Amino acid sequence: GNSVTQMEGPVTLSEEAFLTINCTYTATGYPSLFWYVQYPGEGLQLLLKATKADDKGSNKGFEATYRKETTSFHLEKGSVQVSDSAVYFCAVKSSGGGADGLTFGKGTHLIIQP
Amino acid sequence: DTGVSQDPRHKITKRGQNVTFRCDPISEHNRLYWYRQTLGQGPEFLTYFQNEAQLEKSRLLSDRFSAERPKGSFSTLEIQRTEQGDSAMYLCASSFWAGNTGELFFGEGSRLTVL
Repeated sequence: GNSVTQMEGPVTLSEEAFLTINCTYTATGYPSLFWYVQYPGEGLQLLLKATKADDKGSNKGFEATYRKETTSFHLEKGSVQVSDSAVYFCAVKSSGGGADGLTFGKGTHLIIQP
Repeated sequence: DTGVSQDPRHKITKRGQNVTFRCDPISEHNRLYWYRQTLGQGPEFLTYFQNEAQLEKSRLLSDRFSAERPKGSFSTLEIQRTEQGDSAMYLCASSFWAGNTGELFFGEGSRLTVL
């Protein structure tokens, strides 16, 4: 079945620092890749996605590139803000066989200090 | 439509009792998913429906768990004879089927505590 491995947290950074959260995956078929974010007290929401190799997903200053050769989808942001403090989940979804739903990593808790 | 809603948001029960959670998806969405999330873990897939048909169940969904979506709209997840290990956040999500590229929209979850 599908699986996702992402770096463990918490990750603590100062405001305006550069962010990278690593994510690697295993999946069958032609998966799509997602980053979801969970702000305190809120539900999961989609941050960005990429549906084929070499695609770059971007939103709110965050970016991630679908790297099939390294089976990775690392999340980056050039200058983080306090408001980016949240838990970030990498997820994979593939069609055909197995669960139709998303397979998530364990999540990375990001803390941005002013 | 304001999104996926779940009820109740919090449930505390004693071991051995039955509990039921309800999910109202975004109205035009034909797929509905249930996930479970425990502390420090990512959400784990439990089951999903396309319209009223339950198409897949995870091995995590023991015989004590049952989910329904009788009219292809709202869904219920019932846990019978609850155990302390059932304590978790139960998440509902919905989507309009678009292959494996489709985004899932999540509710805020129903937190279960089994004493």
